[in-house]
Amino acid sequence: DIQMIQSPSSLSASVGDRVTITCRASQSISNYLSWFQQKPGQAPNLLIYDASTLQRGVPSRFSGSGSGTDFTLTISSLQPEDFATYYCQQSYSFPLTFGPGTKVDIK
Amino acid sequence: EVQLVESGGGIVQPGGSLRLSCSASGFTFNNYWMHWVRQAPGKGPVWVSRIKSDGTIANYADSVKGRFTVSRDNAKNTLYLEMNSLRVDDTAVYYCARWGSVAGTFDYWGQGNLVTVSS
Repeated sequence: DIQMIQSPSSLSASVGDRVTITCRASQSISNYLSWFQQKPGQAPNLLIYDASTLQRGVPSRFSGSGSGTDFTLTISSLQPEDFATYYCQQSYSFPLTFGPGTKVDIK
Repeated sequence: EVQLVESGGGIVQPGGSLRLSCSASGFTFNNYWMHWVRQAPGKGPVWVSRIKSDGTIANYADSVKGRFTVSRDNAKNTLYLEMNSLRVDDTAVYYCARWGSVAGTFDYWGQGNLVTVSS
């Protein structure tokens, strides 16, 4: 199974801050990497797929980059509605696997 | 509007059984692979199972293989997960999710359904 590692596990930030979350795969997954946002009591919501393609309706302050084993999710200017937990997920091979999550909370 | 509405969760004793349903609307259900993903309290999501659009192929995570069965009724636009021999570590919120043909990942999710396995 492909293991996904995220860092940091949590971070505190202020509205307007630039936030970067990293995700590392235990083997190369090309660009088969997605990012999800999850708020308490809600299902995950797709933000980015194919490592850098923004899902329809997702604000442009979200961006993704990377390929192979190392990936990043960047929020260019954190907004109040962005405080949530973020997960990366690989679609390269089965079983599909998710990272353990990065919780973004208010400083 | 794409909607996935789950039902059938609840509390069950270890060794018991439960069937989850996921009713789909707002898209052509029989064109899409569908998945089940679960999330234990305070943990990340974990993929459980998938089924092909026509129901002819099904795959499972090792942790549920032989105990869970995924199926679908395309005439009713409904996805199912039959769970047998339930264990305490099967306790989780279970989500059905659509596999996006463009995104190549889970593009729509149900609201989730809590399954608690406890004596």
